[in-house]
Amino acid sequence: KNQVEQSPQSLIILEGKNCTLQCNYTVSPFSNLRWYKQDTGRGPVSLTIMTFSENTKSNGRYTATLDADTKQSSLHITASQLSDSASYICVVSRLTGGGNKLTFGTGTQLKVEL
Amino acid sequence: NAGVTQTPKFQVLKTGQSMTLQCAQDMNHEYMSWYRQDPGMGLRLIHYSVGAGITDQGEVPNGYNVSRSTTEDFPLRLLSAAPSQTSVYFCASSYSKALLNTEAFFGQGTRLTVV
Repeated sequence: KNQVEQSPQSLIILEGKNCTLQCNYTVSPFSNLRWYKQDTGRGPVSLTIMTFSENTKSNGRYTATLDADTKQSSLHITASQLSDSASYICVVSRLTGGGNKLTFGTGTQLKVEL
Repeated sequence: NAGVTQTPKFQVLKTGQSMTLQCAQDMNHEYMSWYRQDPGMGLRLIHYSVGAGITDQGEVPNGYNVSRSTTEDFPLRLLSAAPSQTSVYFCASSYSKALLNTEAFFGQGTRLTVV
């Protein structure tokens, strides 16, 4: 079964601290892995997209890693800011006869406090 | 550049009523899709379209209809609303038909409550 599991479910950190979010997947055949940020009441916004051959990808203070062998990914946030408070969703794309299909994780709810 | 625009943002329906959720994009994207987001679950695909005149079902299509008469618009119709359709609905678009490695852009969402 194609699944995406994220941990932790929620996380509270102090402003300025770093944190790492985890994503494990069983989606096959793998096409790419995406991390999205979803602010409360808004639609998801793409942070990174990684293909099978990419191990690391950065977008400002966000760095995503991918280990396609173990089917794991992480999103590292450096020097967190209050504006980083959001849900972070891991999404894995798989190849099908009708094109790529996305399987979404349930997200990690991050709260950054003063 | 407006991106993906959804209307309305909020809606309350009575069981059995019908309505249309509107979605428009101004990026000339081929691929458009509708998702629903429920508490404790990942977004689930309702219907999608790879171009004008072409639509197909996703994983949770029952109770919903779509059409794609133009590249820009992809409305989602609820035929006879049920409380189980209470959810937040997101429309998304992408340049590539196959989604490949291109970014998907999401609208702001429509929060629908069926009473």
